[in-house]
Amino acid sequence: DAGITQSPRHKVTETGTPVTLRCHQTENHRYMYWYRQDPGHGLRLIHYSYGVKDTDKGEVSDGYSVSRSKTEDFLLTLESATSSQTSVYFCAISLSGEYNEQFFGPGTRLTVL
Amino acid sequence: EDQVTQSPEALRLQEGESSSLNCSYTVSGLRGLFWYRQDPGKGPEFLFTLYSAGEEKEKERLKATLTKKESFLHITAPKPEDSATYLCAVRTYKYIFGTGTRLKVLA
Repeated sequence: DAGITQSPRHKVTETGTPVTLRCHQTENHRYMYWYRQDPGHGLRLIHYSYGVKDTDKGEVSDGYSVSRSKTEDFLLTLESATSSQTSVYFCAISLSGEYNEQFFGPGTRLTVL
Repeated sequence: EDQVTQSPEALRLQEGESSSLNCSYTVSGLRGLFWYRQDPGKGPEFLFTLYSAGEEKEKERLKATLTKKESFLHITAPKPEDSATYLCAVRTYKYIFGTGTRLKVLA
């Protein structure tokens, strides 16, 4: 158990509202990732972090921002949610270095109406 | 363009009926291939890492192998509890996931 929690686990929101998802780890792992998972697509990387205040974009970063002010917390924000952002969002950590085996949280199911 | 393809998309097996799942890839500079298991409503669970052609890893009824173009996940005498979606991912300068194989093992 890599000690990863995500909150909320489920959320329904309306188009145009801001949404923040939280990922929390209980150990001080450096690398953290946000993915989205949609039918017909593999997991797709949104943003990742390689340390406090060090973040970078993934392949589907448009419409998303992230922040990491503490090692244990990685926040994903949808500034103005759209229906295309309806998805399941997973946070992951890497224990042994960037892009090595990853350990995932339980996911957040987000619905944008 | 780097690409990862998994086949079949879905597979139904009888308990005890061995089979293999395929993960083929076209990437430049493979730096690792990973297998994950995902149960409905949960995050992926790490299974194996393979780094070079010819490498094999085993865990219970699962065995992963790697060639220069593809990886196989062999499932020997599966049980209903092996039912899940199996994902592969490759690492180049980034991480690329396949879309998975949904496995259903019938008792």
